[in-house]
Amino acid sequence: QSALTQPRSVSGSPGQSVTISCTGTSSDVGGYNYVSWYQQHPGKAPKLMIYDVSKRPSGVPDRFSGSKSGNTASLTISGLQAEDEADYYCCSYAGSYDVVFGGGTKLTVL
Amino acid sequence: EVQLVESGGGLVQPGRSLRLSCAASGFTFDDYAMHWVRQAPGKGLEWVSGISWNSGSIGYADSVKGRFTISRDNAKNSLYLQMNSLRAEDTALYYCAKDLGSTTVRAIDYWGQGTLVTVSS
Repeated sequence: QSALTQPRSVSGSPGQSVTISCTGTSSDVGGYNYVSWYQQHPGKAPKLMIYDVSKRPSGVPDRFSGSKSGNTASLTISGLQAEDEADYYCCSYAGSYDVVFGGGTKLTVL
Repeated sequence: EVQLVESGGGLVQPGRSLRLSCAASGFTFDDYAMHWVRQAPGKGLEWVSGISWNSGSIGYADSVKGRFTISRDNAKNSLYLQMNSLRAEDTALYYCAKDLGSTTVRAIDYWGQGTLVTVSS
């Protein structure tokens, strides 16, 4: 149960695009299409942004998109807005009713 | 409206026990898997435990295996976490969370506001 690897921080200017990577193994990210992404603002509960690798819950802007290649999943945020500044976490099913989160990435909108 | 309300947190001495509860409403509780996820102060999210709709599948993080027990009472729309042999490193905000799926773990679509557990002498 090793945590998935995410960059500690990423940044971008309003209107730009940023991509956050999430690297696991063939036992988690690479083995299942159950990768999800969460946004967390300070003092708030996390919010689901992407599930099943690339699906968006209703209400989540289409500026948010997810993908996966091999053992690495990615979250791309296009048309950055000030309110996107938050912490982002990836998460994957790891088999045998086991779940693993990434360490989190702090997104700064410059 | 989905609501998840945690209770049972507090200050506890190392080695002691605590039982967290989560009251669920606004959805058909026994149709979905449920989880406990924790977040230590200033740290990231850590999955603690999950349970399928009928308690047939249960999982634990290595860090709590053998010390924590998850359970649910579908008749009471409630989720529980029995925490024994508590350690300082268990100090965290504990979230009750609902899964998108019933048996397979897919993603967490709803979170409670959390209950704070502090383990200290």
